[in-house]
Amino acid sequence: AQKITQTQPGMFVQEKEAVTLDCTYDTSDPSYGLFWYKQPSSGEMIFLIYQGSYDQQNATEGRYSLNFQKARKSANLVISASQLGDSAMYFCAMREEDINNNDMRFGAGTRLTVKP
Amino acid sequence: GAGVSQSPRYKVAKRGQDVALRCDPISGHVSLFWYQQALGQGPEFLTYFQNEAQLDKSGLPSDRFFAERPEGSVSTLKIQRTQQEDSAVYLCASSPKRTNEKLFFGSGTQLSVL
Repeated sequence: AQKITQTQPGMFVQEKEAVTLDCTYDTSDPSYGLFWYKQPSSGEMIFLIYQGSYDQQNATEGRYSLNFQKARKSANLVISASQLGDSAMYFCAMREEDINNNDMRFGAGTRLTVKP
Repeated sequence: GAGVSQSPRYKVAKRGQDVALRCDPISGHVSLFWYQQALGQGPEFLTYFQNEAQLDKSGLPSDRFFAERPEGSVSTLKIQRTQQEDSAVYLCASSPKRTNEKLFFGSGTQLSVL
């Protein structure tokens, strides 16, 4: 079964600094996708970034980048130049390619607080 | 519509009542998911459909929970004889057919059982 682990319940970062949110996963499927979502206090789930298991390069989307270390089964999210609006819950998730085991599973999340 | 639509946005039920939560996925999206999210926690998987077929219902916490998607578009999550522990936000998400696609989420239904 899939398992996603986020070991940091809460993180603080100073505005304009970079922060890394940790995520490790466990799967026996060679083909899978890794995702990060942001959930502000309004409750909506906002997609941030995606990394495929066969992608050779780390994914980047604006200020977001994914530090993908396949052998260690980690997919850490790096947010550069933090902004006050980045304060939110952040969830790591994984979805396997297997058509019969295709649901997306989420970690417990990390609450990020950006300090002015 | 442009996004995933869920209704109602808020639902208050007395313990023992039955409730039905509706999800309208993005048009053409084959996959549909239901999640339960308790306060301060991550979304917990409940069930998953591809078109009208319910491929995985392993996350449904008890036989009081039932989901359907009879025509492969709109889905309904029904909870019978609600209990206080059912209080949570219920999220619906959809995605196109490709299995590694991201999920598009609705705004959720916040269920409070008194």
